[in-house]
Amino acid sequence: SQQGEEDPQALSIQEGENATMNCSYKTSINNLQWYRQNSGRGLVHLILIRSNEREKHSGRLRVTLDTSKKSSSLLITASRAADTASYFCATVAMNSGYSTLTFGKGTMLLVSP
Amino acid sequence: NAGVTQTPKFQVLKTGQSMTLQCAQDMNHEYMSWYRQDPGMGLRLIHYSVGAGITDQGEVPNGYNVSRSTTEDFPLRLLSAAPSQTSVYFCASRNRGGRNEQYFGPGTRLTVT
Repeated sequence: SQQGEEDPQALSIQEGENATMNCSYKTSINNLQWYRQNSGRGLVHLILIRSNEREKHSGRLRVTLDTSKKSSSLLITASRAADTASYFCATVAMNSGYSTLTFGKGTMLLVSP
Repeated sequence: NAGVTQTPKFQVLKTGQSMTLQCAQDMNHEYMSWYRQDPGMGLRLIHYSVGAGITDQGEVPNGYNVSRSTTEDFPLRLLSAAPSQTSVYFCASRNRGGRNEQYFGPGTRLTVT
């Protein structure tokens, strides 16, 4: 079964606004990763946060992790039309031998000019 | 580097036919995986491999076979196609360990009639 569950399923905002997506998961993790998928394409890695980290930044991306609540959030600041895509969280479970990533169902983000 | 390549990009099969989806990577990654992506379901792991000669089942392995004779190649075989296998298939690879990003191929869109 899916480990991560993103919320909301869909998000529509205007250019320049911030977009926040949330991910909840069920078991203890080694790390959590966020990926982007443009329509009709493969997934592209955005950022990884380890279980002992609480916040991480990369350009306009900010990821937080709360292991006590088993949740993470991805914030995209000053959104652009080019940020329109689906965003997925993926977890590496502690007891998986670090060999598999488990993906959520994704959040579809639409950024209008 | 070409990264992860998949062939074909599109395929239409009739129920009961068999075929092989090809996947190759030129990054010398030990780990390779096959996912299927269905609307509203996110990505689900079919099979994965942690090295040449080593494969294991994921979340939805039924109806699919894999083998890994070389580090570079990880083909996915559909034994007897069914309409339920209509999906987009993604191959991915990454280095050993849980703290490494996963690289995805462009996908194969398969329709079974």
